[in-house]
Amino acid sequence: EDKVVQSPLSLVVHEGDTVTLNCSYEVTNFRSLLWYKQEKKAPTFLFMLTSSGIEKKSGRLSSILDKKELFSILNITATQTGDSAIYLCAVPTGTASKLTFGTGTRLQVTL
Amino acid sequence: NAGVTQTPKFQVLKTGQSMTLQCAQDMNHEYMSWYRQDPGMGLRLIHYSVGAGITDQGEVPNGYNVSRSTTEDFPLRLLSAAPSQTSVYFCASSYLLPSYTGWVTDTQYFGPGTRLTVL
Repeated sequence: EDKVVQSPLSLVVHEGDTVTLNCSYEVTNFRSLLWYKQEKKAPTFLFMLTSSGIEKKSGRLSSILDKKELFSILNITATQTGDSAIYLCAVPTGTASKLTFGTGTRLQVTL
Repeated sequence: NAGVTQTPKFQVLKTGQSMTLQCAQDMNHEYMSWYRQDPGMGLRLIHYSVGAGITDQGEVPNGYNVSRSTTEDFPLRLLSAAPSQTSVYFCASSYLLPSYTGWVTDTQYFGPGTRLTVL
């Protein structure tokens, strides 16, 4: 059975800290891994990763994939209160195009 | 572009009532899907469609029906609502990309969600 597991489930940090969120997966026919950020409403896309070892970066956020060890990390440096959200990891699974999500990591950044 | 739109934003039903959640996208995406989100459970796929006239079941399809008569619209029907269907429902859409194993969903774009309460 395809599986996507995120850790930690929740995290509280102080503004300015650096955080690392983890996503491990076990899927048949891996194609890509996606990261989303969910604040109050709908998830919004952050990154899509398809190749091992190539870092994707957007401002203070970056992500990398390890296809040998079957995991990805999402790093956020110099966290701000606006980074408080649920971060979701997802992997296309199945024969067609199902997207399987992890349960998410709830990040809270405090002043 | 409006992107992915959903109506209504909020809905309260009594057990046994039926209703349809509407979803529309204007990006000409082949792929559309419905998820429900419950605390501690993440997003779970209910049904999905890879094109007009083609639908398939996801992880939690029981109690829900879908149809896809046009590329733009993908309504989700609850035939007889139950309290277990209290949840936040998201519709999403994407292009489909060819891969060596078949079609794969590209980046999915989500609608704003519908919060449904069944009493």
